[in-house]
Amino acid sequence: EDQVTQSPEALRLQEGESSSLNCSYTVSGLRGLFWYRQDPGKGPEFLFTLYSAGEEKEKERLKATLTKKESFLHITAPKPEDSATYLCAVQAEGTYKYIFGTGTRLKVLA
Amino acid sequence: EAGVAQSPRYKIIEKRQSVAFWCNPISGHATLYWYQQILGQGPKLLIQFQNNGVVDDSQLPKDRFSAERLKGVDSTLKIQPAKLEDSAVYLCASSPRAINTGELFFGEGSRLTVL
Repeated sequence: EDQVTQSPEALRLQEGESSSLNCSYTVSGLRGLFWYRQDPGKGPEFLFTLYSAGEEKEKERLKATLTKKESFLHITAPKPEDSATYLCAVQAEGTYKYIFGTGTRLKVLA
Repeated sequence: EAGVAQSPRYKIIEKRQSVAFWCNPISGHATLYWYQQILGQGPKLLIQFQNNGVVDDSQLPKDRFSAERLKGVDSTLKIQPAKLEDSAVYLCASSPRAINTGELFFGEGSRLTVL
């Protein structure tokens, strides 16, 4: 069964304290892996798509990487405005369905 | 460009009552999704439409949930009768096509509380 597991469930960082969020996945064949950001009371907002192992994408303080079994979202020198829930999703080959993980709730303290 | 519109934003009902949610996707987007997000969990797909045809409704509880997409544009999700476990945020999303770069455009969601 296709599955996505995210860790940690919650993370508190001081402003400027870099860290990484993990997304482990099990799919029969990966079409793509996606990262979204969700603020309280809002819908998820797209961040990145990764298609193959070794691929990396960057946006401001965020960098996403992909291996054959997991993805990392690296946050460099985070700011309070980076506080949100970060969701990982995968799309398996032969299907149109996106499977989401439960997310990591990030809190960055000033 | 206008985003995905959903209404109502909040709804409180008693169990066994019915409720309907409306979604207007981004203009020109062929694919529309309804997701259920229970507090503390990730979104779970309920139904996916390609234009006005159903692509995937395998996780839709068909004994109580129904959805339609009128003329391949707006969509309505109905729950009848509601159960306590239906309390969740119902998210509508759209994308230009079924196989895409992965970017789903989400609305702000409709929060349902069943008492």
